[in-house]
Amino acid sequence: EAQVTQNPRYLITVTGKKLTVTCSQNMNHEYMSWYRQDPGLGLRQIYYSMNVEVTDKGDVPEGYKVSRKEKRNFPLILESPSPNQTSLYFCASSLRGSGISSSYTFGSGTRLTVV
Amino acid sequence: RKEVEQDPGPFNVPEGATVAFNCTYSNSASQSFFWYRQDCRKEPKLLMSVYSSGNEDGRFTAQLNRASQYISLLIRDSKLSDSATYLCVGRASNYQLIWGAGTKLIIKP
Repeated sequence: EAQVTQNPRYLITVTGKKLTVTCSQNMNHEYMSWYRQDPGLGLRQIYYSMNVEVTDKGDVPEGYKVSRKEKRNFPLILESPSPNQTSLYFCASSLRGSGISSSYTFGSGTRLTVV
Repeated sequence: RKEVEQDPGPFNVPEGATVAFNCTYSNSASQSFFWYRQDCRKEPKLLMSVYSSGNEDGRFTAQLNRASQYISLLIRDSKLSDSATYLCVGRASNYQLIWGAGTKLIIKP
């Protein structure tokens, strides 16, 4: 089944403790992206990757890191999480980032709480 | 002004009714458009792309008005299962997607 898999689904952690949220897709998509979703703000892009070893900042990259060593994986790293990073996170992929009708496939989301 | 703006709702609509909601966009989010559907606490899923000539998919019709810079979504004969948040999305010239905050729709029996 074609899908984007995120783990974990739920995570409660303490301020400052490094964590990684994994994202993997099995569709050979070139483009992958991380979003956070907060009430009333919609989806905001954190980082995106057009292909292997190519990453770029989105609208809200502060406090996050990513890597794209392989096409299928795009982990999101919080080196020192803070309470303002409490949010619902989504990973998404598409065949390519460009193109008029490139639609995104989303992972199931990771609900992160930083206390 | 937000680049993609939607009325957050909620829109409370009786089952079987027709409901329409709009989304306005700025010039920076105007290359192409989509409607996504998001159920509570779940991931967004593509509902339909929006074409310049308007397009229809079953009970759903999407329209684009470039002169007034808005897109619309019309749902006919609404079902209980249509209850969800509908996200309006514009694509910027750098191909990044810009998301509205969503309109919540509640269909009541």
